[in-house]
Amino acid sequence: DGGITQSPKYLFRKEGQNVTLSCEQNLNHDAMYWYRQDPGQGLRLIYYSQIVNDFQKGDIAEGYSVSREKKESFPLTVTSAQKNPTAFYLCASRVGETLYNSPLHFGNGTRLTVT
Amino acid sequence: DAKTTQPPSMDCAEGRAANLPCNHSTISGNEYVYWYRQIHSQGPQYIIHGLKNNETNEMASLIITEDRKSSTLILPHATLRDTAVYYCIVRVRGNFNKFYFGSGTKLNVKP
Repeated sequence: DGGITQSPKYLFRKEGQNVTLSCEQNLNHDAMYWYRQDPGQGLRLIYYSQIVNDFQKGDIAEGYSVSREKKESFPLTVTSAQKNPTAFYLCASRVGETLYNSPLHFGNGTRLTVT
Repeated sequence: DAKTTQPPSMDCAEGRAANLPCNHSTISGNEYVYWYRQIHSQGPQYIIHGLKNNETNEMASLIITEDRKSSTLILPHATLRDTAVYYCIVRVRGNFNKFYFGSGTKLNVKP
């Protein structure tokens, strides 16, 4: 089955530590995205990538970093510079601009708790 | 910058049609409307999308007004498992890779 895999589902870290969230897709999609969701709120865009070796900042990129070395992988690093890292993190992908109206497809998220 | 407006919550009786409205008055001519739903602690699930014609799939129907300023998602026979937060989104003109999610509508399906 094709899909998006985020791991782990729950992640606990101490304040001051960097942590990397995994996102893998086997849908052969060009574009990948990271969103953050806080309780009772909608999704906010952190970073997105249209193609391998390219990525752009979203609306809340401060304190985060990404890489896109492979088409199927788009890991997100939450650095110690992120002031409020505890949140639900969602990875998504879509075909890309070769199909302009292609929808986003989401993984099931990683819930990060930093204490 | 969500570009859409939805009521925060709605109730629906099990077995009845659920009609979820969305206003997107600033939508541009080539912007699609997308609907997703999210069950607690899961990733959003894609439901349907459309440009100007009404669309139907196995999950729902999407009715877009002729002026495209609003749309309605219809779940024809709501079940308890349809209880979720439903998001109506459009992509921001000029930023075609960015999908903005607002706060959505919490649909409560009641027995």
